[in-house]
Amino acid sequence: GENVEQHPSTLSVQEGDSAVIKCTYSDSASNYFPWYKQELGKGPQLIIDIRSNVGEKKDQRIAVTLNKTAKHFSLHITETQPEDSAVYFCAASGQAGTALIFGKGTTLSVSS
Amino acid sequence: KAGVTQTPRYLIKTRGQQVTLSCSPISGHRSVSWYQQTPGQGLQFLFEYFSETQRNKGNFPGRFSGRQFSNSRSEMNVSTLELGDSALYLCASSPTGSNTGELFFGEGSRLTVL
Repeated sequence: GENVEQHPSTLSVQEGDSAVIKCTYSDSASNYFPWYKQELGKGPQLIIDIRSNVGEKKDQRIAVTLNKTAKHFSLHITETQPEDSAVYFCAASGQAGTALIFGKGTTLSVSS
Repeated sequence: KAGVTQTPRYLIKTRGQQVTLSCSPISGHRSVSWYQQTPGQGLQFLFEYFSETQRNKGNFPGRFSGRQFSNSRSEMNVSTLELGDSALYLCASSPTGSNTGELFFGEGSRLTVL
């Protein structure tokens, strides 16, 4: 089955800096790669996703890149703000009907 | 539109007991997935139900079980509780399945096993 590795487990940046979180997956058939943000006391929420037919996707200050050959995808947050502080999860899913498998999460702290 | 509702939000049990957790998905959503969240292990997949059928199952022992009703509401049960079962149990719903688009998560049921 699918296995997703996520790094780093914790990340501290200064407000205004960029943050990058990286994930690798094992199943070459995986074709859907979402990123979720979890704030304290809440359930995770989707912030951006990408499918295997696209190499990069942007939404304002966040972007995701995908390298299918290397089975690697990354989340990029630019101009970080204190409200970006949260736990971020990457995930991967393969063929139709398979489960969405998550990485272990990255705790991002943005200090002002 | 109401979100995903999980009950109870908090519960304390002792080893050997069993527990049932409930999840009401967003109206119209036919898929319900369950995840166990623990510090350091992230979100571990338990199972996914779609139209009352278990579609996928994660690598958890048989003590963990679930079901889905005709109205898409889902329950999960853990029997013979162990200390290691202490965790936040998250339910997520989606219209057609967890690998096709956004999952909508509830706020979770926090289980403490003493």
